[in-house]
Amino acid sequence: KAGVTQTPRYLIKTRGQQVTLSCSPISGHRSVSWYQQTPGQGLQFLFEYFSETQRNKGNFPGRFSGRQFSNSRSEMNVSTLELGDSALYLCASSGGLLGGWETQYFGPGTRLLVL
Amino acid sequence: DQQVKQNSPSLSVQEGRISILNCDYTNSMFDYFLWYKKYPAEGPTFLISISSIKDKNEDGRFTVFLNKSAKHLSLHIVPSQPGDSAVYFCAAQASGGGADGLTFGKGTHLIIQP
Repeated sequence: KAGVTQTPRYLIKTRGQQVTLSCSPISGHRSVSWYQQTPGQGLQFLFEYFSETQRNKGNFPGRFSGRQFSNSRSEMNVSTLELGDSALYLCASSGGLLGGWETQYFGPGTRLLVL
Repeated sequence: DQQVKQNSPSLSVQEGRISILNCDYTNSMFDYFLWYKKYPAEGPTFLISISSIKDKNEDGRFTVFLNKSAKHLSLHIVPSQPGDSAVYFCAAQASGGGADGLTFGKGTHLIIQP
């Protein structure tokens, strides 16, 4: 079974721009979660989508948004980029039906650099 | 306030010996715990998990122990191999109410010395 895939792997943007990252979950998985990893804050939960609906949300500003399509693929958008948005953005998928009892499997991440 | 703490930023162990990585948590709602291994510029790789109804789970060289009263879990790797050198993250989540997202510790960098 193919794992979680994320595109692009690397991205360079400038302050004020917006960016869209893409994630394809493991086949059959319906839940997609997004995380941000920075050296200072570590790995932090952004939000989770299940059946095209945002089911849970972490403590990030509204500039961070996402969506999920009917095939469970998900996109994450960050608008008005700030220098502090430079991070590794990770997508994780799980079946989605057992909620917090499920293991999340991560993709390789997208490294975003904001200049 | 860090709800999941890994107090050792790094740990050096000789090849063939046991590696013990520790993790403490403060949120009593957490009832599912996972360990992930991570190499630089890659996503975390799932290693092993344990639910709060158990106190031990074993998978090959990896064993996770959970002490609910102390809010402490540990990962044992026996025997340690050079390929185990990586950053290990402890993560926790609360099962009730759906997936609220994993809460991660800051990680422990495990170095296996030949």
